[in-house]
Amino acid sequence: ETGVTQSPTHLIKTRGQQVTLRCSSQSGHNTVSWYQQALGQGPQFIFQYYREEENGRGNFPPRFSGLQFPNYSSELNVNALELDDSALYLCASSLAGARGTDNEQFFGPGTRLTVL
Amino acid sequence: KQEVTQIPAALSVPEGENLVLNCSFTDSAIYNLQWFRQDPGKGLTSLLLIQSSQREQTSGRLNASLDKSSGRSTLYIAASQPGDSATYLCAVPQAGTALIFGKGTTLSVSS
Repeated sequence: ETGVTQSPTHLIKTRGQQVTLRCSSQSGHNTVSWYQQALGQGPQFIFQYYREEENGRGNFPPRFSGLQFPNYSSELNVNALELDDSALYLCASSLAGARGTDNEQFFGPGTRLTVL
Repeated sequence: KQEVTQIPAALSVPEGENLVLNCSFTDSAIYNLQWFRQDPGKGLTSLLLIQSSQREQTSGRLNASLDKSSGRSTLYIAASQPGDSATYLCAVPQAGTALIFGKGTTLSVSS
């Protein structure tokens, strides 16, 4: 069984640029959630995808967008990068039932994004 | 709006001590509660998930309890080791999608 993987590991961008982060779900999982973790803070929910549709969104602006593919892998896109977007971005996968994410979430190693 | 608080923010103990980490949440209508471990700059490793119908879960030297009515969970670590040094996070689901996290307790175990 393959765990959750994320790429790239580290990324450096400049303000105003766009970035795409990628996540491969754990085998058999149908739900992907993305989180942003600033230094010294707990992860903050960005959004979740269930069967290729957005299934919930946190308090993040529209320049944060995502996709989920038929193989349940996912992308997080951030446009017009700001300095405050510097953070660890975490992807989590789970096998959701009818009530959404009631089940255990498994996290990837994260992507460290630095915006200069 | 669900809020999760973890106390203490940091903890330093000598090797071999038993210790308790605390997690409290404001909305008791939760389906489950999950404890995670995070090493510096790394992702989260799931330690224990307690369903709302359960009172506790055990995995090796770890024991997590859940009291929904009082909005509290504790993570008990027995016979701590230097390898237990990490940040421990608790999280509860909100609206069936998002996990709401506390800020974590950073544990340092000295040999």
